[in-house]
Amino acid sequence: EVQLLESGGGLVQPGGSLRLSCAASGFTFSSYAMSWVRQAPGKGLEWVSAISGSGGTTYYADSVKGRFTISRDNSKNTLYLQMNSLRAEDTALYYCAKRSGSAAAGISYFDYWGQGTLVTVSS
Amino acid sequence: DIQMTQSPSTLSASVGDRVTITCRASQSISSWLAWYQQKPGKAPKLLIYKASSLESGVPSRFSGSGSGTEFTLTISSLQPDDFATYYCQHYNSYPWTFGQGTKVEIK
Repeated sequence: EVQLLESGGGLVQPGGSLRLSCAASGFTFSSYAMSWVRQAPGKGLEWVSAISGSGGTTYYADSVKGRFTISRDNSKNTLYLQMNSLRAEDTALYYCAKRSGSAAAGISYFDYWGQGTLVTVSS
Repeated sequence: DIQMTQSPSTLSASVGDRVTITCRASQSISSWLAWYQQKPGKAPKLLIYKASSLESGVPSRFSGSGSGTEFTLTISSLQPDDFATYYCQHYNSYPWTFGQGTKVEIK
């Protein structure tokens, strides 16, 4: 059974940093691309970042480019999102999502999602 | 970027009704479209991929159709468990974008 468990969310002041983690199990982690998708309170879904199965290719939404960094440790079956220079508009529930293929920009959909970790940016 | 537009934003229906949600892409995405269901406080769940392929374990009352720029999600006979918000999403190319969502409410 595929399981994705996010952690690391919390309350942070504007301009601060936070590192999210997503522990994966139930599949061959290194064989699949992964993504972060966020959902602001009461709003829709927004794709944030993607990484290939090998970790060698990454993509970012314009809204987070230059501030967020996605990475993965395939030996630990764990996905990360380092978030710097946080803004109020980054407040959201952050989901880790498994992609159905291995390439970061490949034609693949999100077939499994974690339960999310809440990030609140406020002074 | 490809924009995804869903209609309606809210839909009121009764148990047993046939329900159709439309999703339009701002440019052709072939059949690279997925549909997700999200219930309050829960993560999204994949229902349909490649526009019309039913994900394993999803009830057959759900179906998808379309290609190019216009797509539909149909629930043939609405069940109590189906009241939720539904999102379409293209995966034709980076960046991947979602529709704004359609909330299916009890009439």
